[in-house]
Amino acid sequence: EPEVTQTPSHQVTQMGQEVILRCVPISNHLYFYWHRQILGQKVEFLVSFYNNEISEKSEIFDDQFSVERPDGSNFTLKIRSTKLEDSAMYFCAGQGAPNEKLFFGSGTQLSVL
Amino acid sequence: GNSVTQMEGPVTLSEEAFLTINCTYTATGYPSLFWYVQYPGEGLQLLLKATKADDKGSNKGFEATYRKETTSFHLEKGSVQVSDSAVYFCALTLRGNQFYFGTGTSLTVIP
Repeated sequence: EPEVTQTPSHQVTQMGQEVILRCVPISNHLYFYWHRQILGQKVEFLVSFYNNEISEKSEIFDDQFSVERPDGSNFTLKIRSTKLEDSAMYFCAGQGAPNEKLFFGSGTQLSVL
Repeated sequence: GNSVTQMEGPVTLSEEAFLTINCTYTATGYPSLFWYVQYPGEGLQLLLKATKADDKGSNKGFEATYRKETTSFHLEKGSVQVSDSAVYFCALTLRGNQFYFGTGTSLTVIP
């Protein structure tokens, strides 16, 4: 089965630094998502992206966050100035059409020190 | 609002035991319901889904029935195997482009 690839698998950064989390979705998918899970808490929706623009975003996705699909293959999540509370596992997902199943990457564990 | 509540884990069972993982939801409309599974080191994978009331989703011996009257979607399996050890996530979507997940329930099956 095709896979969604996320890199890096672990990222350690200092508070206030910028990080970029990278995802390569399945090539024929059109809808893309970022979710995150803080240890012991729910998997939280951050943002959905379709046709090169954000279609939905949660209240977590503030001005410090941005997403981009710069070259038609990579899908990135940027956090401009990381905070301690941004430490979480970040999951990228893709979907061929609404209501179809999500294909998830294996996640990037972000640790902000 | 929209949310999913799952039973707390971790759950430890012996091989061939019966499994139930409870999931209840609140939603502002008529959601589609899902169970995703995450094996160690991998991403979440769809296990089963149900899109309307009284539908039963099933896969790999797992079942869940969409119960509108109790707003529940409990996951069951009659006889678990060691290979079922994973984290299980209940989720819902209303429009198919925003998903709400539970906290996940870790299952360990011992031989």
